[in-house]
Amino acid sequence: KQEVTQIPAALSVPEGENLVLNCSFTDSAIYNLQWFRQDPGKGLTSLLLIQSSQREQTSGRLNASLDKSSGRSTLYIAASQPGDSATYLCAAPSGHNTNAGKSTFGDGTTLTVKP
Amino acid sequence: ETGVTQTPRHLVMGMTNKKSLKCEQHLGHNAMYWYKQSAKKPLELMFVYNFKEQTENNSVPSRFSPECPNSSHLFLHLHTLQPEDSALYLCASSQEGATGELFFGEGSRLTVL
Repeated sequence: KQEVTQIPAALSVPEGENLVLNCSFTDSAIYNLQWFRQDPGKGLTSLLLIQSSQREQTSGRLNASLDKSSGRSTLYIAASQPGDSATYLCAAPSGHNTNAGKSTFGDGTTLTVKP
Repeated sequence: ETGVTQTPRHLVMGMTNKKSLKCEQHLGHNAMYWYKQSAKKPLELMFVYNFKEQTENNSVPSRFSPECPNSSHLFLHLHTLQPEDSALYLCASSQEGATGELFFGEGSRLTVL
């Protein structure tokens, strides 16, 4: 059974700082890994999807990496802004999963960017 | 409309009421899901639908009754709920056999009095 851990649970940084969020998973037989952002009381917004054949994906100030052999993914946020304040979740399927929605979600890292 | 749309966004109901949550996806996906998210708890997958057929029910109480009339619409019928059912209910969809990317709606915030 896939287990996903996100450390730290909460992070507070000053505006402008670069930061890294971590996601660890136990079953490395994944076909992809997805990062989401969730604002309070809202749904999850997809940020980046990394296929198992890829090492990283970039979107604007966000860069996600994937190392299947070590069971780790990182989300790098460059030049953080107060608008980046949210909870960030990663989701990883198990190798036998046939539905993306059955992926295991981490508990998330709540990021606060102070002006 | 694009993406995944959920209505209503907020719902308050008594324990004896019957109400329904609606989810519609405009992405042409073939799989849809219901999740429950309670305060300070991880996401809980409730139901999985593939090609309109329910393929998973994660021991959800019968007071929650899903319905999927077609691959674009998903309902969650609510009846005789308990206060502990108060939560954010999220709908999501994906296209199985493709990239496996998951898309969520904005959620329906349910309060049971």
